[in-house]
Amino acid sequence: RKEVEQDPGPFNVPEGATVAFNCTYSNSASQSFFWYRQDCRKEPKLLMSVYSSGNEDGRFTAQLNRASQYISLLIRDSKLSDSATYLCVVLGAGSYQLTFGKGTKLSVIP
Amino acid sequence: DAGVTQSPTHLIKTRGQQVTLRCSPKSGHDTVSWYQQALGQGPQFIFQYYEEEERQRGNFPDRFSGHQFPNYSSELNVNALLLGDSALYLCASNSGGGWELFFGEGSRLTVL
Repeated sequence: RKEVEQDPGPFNVPEGATVAFNCTYSNSASQSFFWYRQDCRKEPKLLMSVYSSGNEDGRFTAQLNRASQYISLLIRDSKLSDSATYLCVVLGAGSYQLTFGKGTKLSVIP
Repeated sequence: DAGVTQSPTHLIKTRGQQVTLRCSPKSGHDTVSWYQQALGQGPQFIFQYYEEEERQRGNFPDRFSGHQFPNYSSELNVNALLLGDSALYLCASNSGGGWELFFGEGSRLTVL
Protein backbone atom coordinates (compact mmCIF):
# COMPACT_ATOMS: atom_id res chain seq x y z
CA ARG A 1 0.00 0.00 0.00
CA LYS A 2 1.34 3.41 -0.95
CA GLU A 3 1.99 5.87 1.87
CA VAL A 4 -0.39 8.50 0.51
CA GLU A 5 -3.04 7.62 -2.05
CA GLN A 6 -5.27 9.92 -4.06
CA ASP A 7 -7.65 9.49 -6.97
CA PRO A 8 -5.68 11.06 -9.86
CA GLY A 9 -8.83 12.25 -11.62
CA PRO A 10 -9.20 14.26 -13.72
CA PHE A 11 -12.26 15.84 -12.18
CA ASN A 12 -14.02 18.01 -14.76
CA VAL A 13 -16.65 20.19 -13.11
CA PRO A 14 -18.68 23.24 -14.21
CA GLU A 15 -18.19 26.63 -12.60
CA GLY A 16 -20.15 26.92 -9.39
CA ALA A 17 -20.09 23.20 -8.64
CA THR A 18 -18.99 21.63 -5.38
CA VAL A 19 -16.22 19.06 -5.64
CA ALA A 20 -14.59 16.82 -3.05
CA PHE A 21 -11.23 15.09 -3.08
CA ASN A 22 -10.21 12.23 -0.84
CA CYS A 23 -6.87 10.94 0.34
CA THR A 24 -5.81 7.98 2.47
CA TYR A 25 -2.52 7.49 4.30
CA SER A 26 -0.94 4.30 5.54
CA ASN A 27 1.07 5.38 8.61
CA SER A 28 -1.26 5.67 11.58
CA ALA A 29 1.43 7.58 13.50
CA SER A 30 1.44 10.46 11.00
CA GLN A 31 1.25 13.74 12.82
CA SER A 32 0.43 16.56 10.40
CA PHE A 33 -1.53 16.88 7.21
CA PHE A 34 -1.74 19.41 4.43
CA TRP A 35 -3.22 20.17 1.03
CA TYR A 36 -0.93 21.77 -1.52
CA ARG A 37 -1.96 23.15 -4.89
CA GLN A 38 0.18 22.85 -8.01
CA ASP A 39 -0.63 24.72 -11.20
CA CYS A 40 0.51 23.27 -14.52
CA ARG A 41 4.33 23.40 -14.80
CA LYS A 42 4.58 25.44 -11.59
CA GLU A 43 5.79 24.72 -8.09
CA PRO A 44 3.49 23.39 -5.32
CA LYS A 45 2.07 25.94 -2.87
CA LEU A 46 0.44 25.36 0.48
CA LEU A 47 -3.35 25.58 0.25
CA MET A 48 -4.20 24.72 3.84
CA SER A 49 -3.27 22.62 6.82
CA VAL A 50 -5.71 19.96 7.98
CA TYR A 51 -6.74 19.69 11.62
CA SER A 52 -8.63 16.95 13.46
CA SER A 53 -11.49 19.33 14.18
CA GLY A 54 -11.79 20.25 10.52
CA ASN A 55 -11.02 23.68 9.18
CA GLU A 56 -12.39 26.07 6.63
CA ASP A 57 -10.81 28.82 4.57
CA GLY A 58 -13.35 30.62 2.45
CA ARG A 59 -14.69 28.16 -0.12
CA PHE A 60 -12.31 25.42 1.00
CA THR A 61 -12.97 22.93 3.80
CA ALA A 62 -10.54 20.26 4.95
CA GLN A 63 -11.38 17.29 7.17
CA LEU A 64 -9.25 14.66 8.88
CA ASN A 65 -10.45 11.27 10.12
CA ARG A 66 -7.60 9.69 12.07
CA ALA A 67 -9.51 6.48 12.78
CA SER A 68 -9.99 5.84 9.07
CA GLN A 69 -6.68 7.48 8.08
CA TYR A 70 -8.55 9.64 5.62
CA ILE A 71 -8.28 13.29 4.61
CA SER A 72 -10.69 15.25 2.45
CA LEU A 73 -10.84 18.61 0.70
CA LEU A 74 -14.14 20.20 -0.31
CA ILE A 75 -14.28 23.10 -2.74
CA ARG A 76 -17.57 25.00 -2.97
CA ASP A 77 -18.64 27.36 -5.77
CA SER A 78 -15.76 26.29 -8.03
CA LYS A 79 -14.00 29.01 -10.00
CA LEU A 80 -12.04 28.68 -13.24
CA SER A 81 -8.98 29.70 -11.24
CA ASP A 82 -9.36 26.59 -9.06
CA SER A 83 -8.16 24.45 -11.99
CA ALA A 84 -4.96 22.82 -10.75
CA THR A 85 -3.58 19.62 -9.24
CA TYR A 86 -4.29 19.18 -5.55
CA LEU A 87 -1.64 17.29 -3.57
CA CYS A 88 -2.37 15.53 -0.31
CA VAL A 89 0.65 15.74 2.01
CA VAL A 90 1.46 13.89 5.22
CA LEU A 91 4.19 14.41 7.83
CA GLY A 92 5.26 11.25 9.61
CA ALA A 93 5.73 11.07 13.37
CA GLY A 94 9.22 12.10 14.40
CA SER A 95 10.05 12.86 10.79
CA TYR A 96 11.10 15.90 8.80
CA GLN A 97 9.89 14.30 5.58
CA LEU A 98 6.70 15.44 3.91
CA THR A 99 5.19 12.65 1.82
CA PHE A 100 3.15 13.76 -1.16
CA GLY A 101 0.39 11.91 -2.94
CA LYS A 102 0.36 11.80 -6.75
CA GLY A 103 -2.21 14.58 -6.83
CA THR A 104 -5.75 14.95 -8.09
CA LYS A 105 -6.25 17.05 -11.20
CA LEU A 106 -9.20 19.44 -11.25
CA SER A 107 -10.48 21.23 -14.33
CA VAL A 108 -13.25 23.77 -13.83
CA ILE A 109 -15.15 24.32 -17.06
CA PRO A 110 -17.01 27.52 -18.04
CA ASP B 1 11.47 39.69 -0.36
CA ALA B 2 12.92 37.06 -2.67
CA GLY B 3 11.37 33.64 -2.51
CA VAL B 4 13.20 30.40 -3.15
CA THR B 5 15.41 30.66 -6.22
CA GLN B 6 16.85 27.75 -8.17
CA SER B 7 19.33 27.44 -11.00
CA PRO B 8 19.54 26.40 -13.71
CA THR B 9 15.90 26.29 -14.77
CA HIS B 10 16.46 23.77 -17.54
CA LEU B 11 19.35 21.53 -18.46
CA ILE B 12 20.10 18.57 -20.67
CA LYS B 13 22.68 15.93 -19.82
CA THR B 14 23.67 12.54 -21.18
CA ARG B 15 23.78 9.26 -19.32
CA GLY B 16 26.79 8.89 -17.04
CA GLN B 17 27.33 12.61 -16.62
CA GLN B 18 27.14 14.52 -13.37
CA VAL B 19 24.93 17.51 -12.53
CA THR B 20 24.84 20.17 -9.81
CA LEU B 21 21.68 22.10 -9.02
CA ARG B 22 21.61 25.17 -6.81
CA CYS B 23 19.08 26.67 -4.43
CA SER B 24 18.82 29.84 -2.37
CA PRO B 25 16.17 29.64 0.35
CA LYS B 26 13.58 32.24 1.15
CA SER B 27 14.90 35.03 3.33
CA GLY B 28 14.80 34.03 7.00
CA HIS B 29 14.64 30.30 6.29
CA ASP B 30 17.37 27.97 7.54
CA THR B 31 16.16 24.57 6.33
CA VAL B 32 16.33 23.31 2.76
CA SER B 33 14.73 20.18 1.33
CA TRP B 34 15.10 18.69 -2.13
CA TYR B 35 12.37 16.82 -3.99
CA GLN B 36 12.25 14.97 -7.30
CA GLN B 37 9.02 15.18 -9.29
CA ALA B 38 8.63 12.88 -12.27
CA LEU B 39 5.92 13.59 -14.83
CA GLY B 40 2.48 12.79 -13.45
CA GLN B 41 3.80 12.05 -9.97
CA GLY B 42 3.89 13.91 -6.69
CA PRO B 43 7.19 15.26 -5.37
CA GLN B 44 9.43 12.60 -3.79
CA PHE B 45 11.63 13.57 -0.84
CA ILE B 46 15.36 13.29 -1.51
CA PHE B 47 16.86 14.85 1.64
CA GLN B 48 16.76 17.80 4.01
CA TYR B 49 19.59 20.01 5.19
CA TYR B 50 19.72 21.95 8.42
CA GLU B 51 22.75 23.59 10.04
CA GLU B 52 24.87 22.39 7.11
CA GLU B 53 24.11 18.74 7.89
CA GLU B 54 21.89 16.21 6.13
CA ARG B 55 19.15 15.81 8.71
CA GLN B 56 17.01 13.22 6.93
CA ARG B 57 17.21 11.27 3.70
CA GLY B 58 14.57 9.68 1.54
CA ASN B 59 14.83 6.48 -0.48
CA PHE B 60 17.38 7.68 -3.04
CA PRO B 61 20.73 6.08 -3.91
CA ASP B 62 24.09 7.48 -2.90
CA ARG B 63 24.44 8.97 -6.38
CA PHE B 64 22.33 11.78 -4.96
CA SER B 65 24.29 13.98 -2.59
CA GLY B 66 23.98 17.48 -1.29
CA HIS B 67 25.47 20.29 0.65
CA GLN B 68 24.31 23.29 2.63
CA PHE B 69 26.47 26.37 2.98
CA PRO B 70 26.75 28.77 5.94
CA ASN B 71 24.40 31.22 4.18
CA TYR B 72 21.79 28.39 4.06
CA SER B 73 21.96 27.98 0.28
CA SER B 74 22.20 24.43 -0.95
CA GLU B 75 23.36 22.23 -3.81
CA LEU B 76 22.08 18.92 -5.08
CA ASN B 77 24.58 16.74 -6.93
CA VAL B 78 23.66 13.70 -8.98
CA ASN B 79 26.42 11.43 -10.31
CA ALA B 80 26.32 8.79 -13.04
CA LEU B 81 23.05 10.07 -14.45
CA LEU B 82 20.44 7.57 -15.63
CA LEU B 83 17.57 8.13 -18.02
CA GLY B 84 15.22 7.70 -15.06
CA ASP B 85 16.74 10.74 -13.36
CA SER B 86 14.90 12.96 -15.83
CA ALA B 87 12.51 14.99 -13.70
CA LEU B 88 11.74 18.34 -12.14
CA TYR B 89 13.97 18.91 -9.12
CA LEU B 90 12.34 21.12 -6.55
CA CYS B 91 14.02 22.91 -3.70
CA ALA B 92 11.90 23.93 -0.73
CA SER B 93 12.75 25.97 2.32
CA ASN B 94 11.16 26.52 5.70
CA SER B 95 12.14 28.04 8.99
CA GLY B 96 12.95 25.72 11.88
CA GLY B 97 9.67 26.30 13.66
CA GLY B 98 7.24 25.90 10.80
CA TRP B 99 6.02 23.18 8.44
CA GLU B 100 4.96 25.28 5.50
CA LEU B 101 7.34 24.58 2.66
CA PHE B 102 8.05 27.30 0.13
CA PHE B 103 9.11 25.82 -3.18
CA GLY B 104 11.25 27.23 -5.93
CA GLU B 105 10.17 26.92 -9.54
CA GLY B 106 12.43 23.94 -10.00
CA SER B 107 15.22 22.76 -12.26
CA ARG B 108 13.99 20.59 -15.13
CA LEU B 109 16.60 17.95 -15.93
CA THR B 110 16.49 15.88 -19.08
CA VAL B 111 18.89 12.94 -19.39
CA LEU B 112 19.43 11.62 -22.92
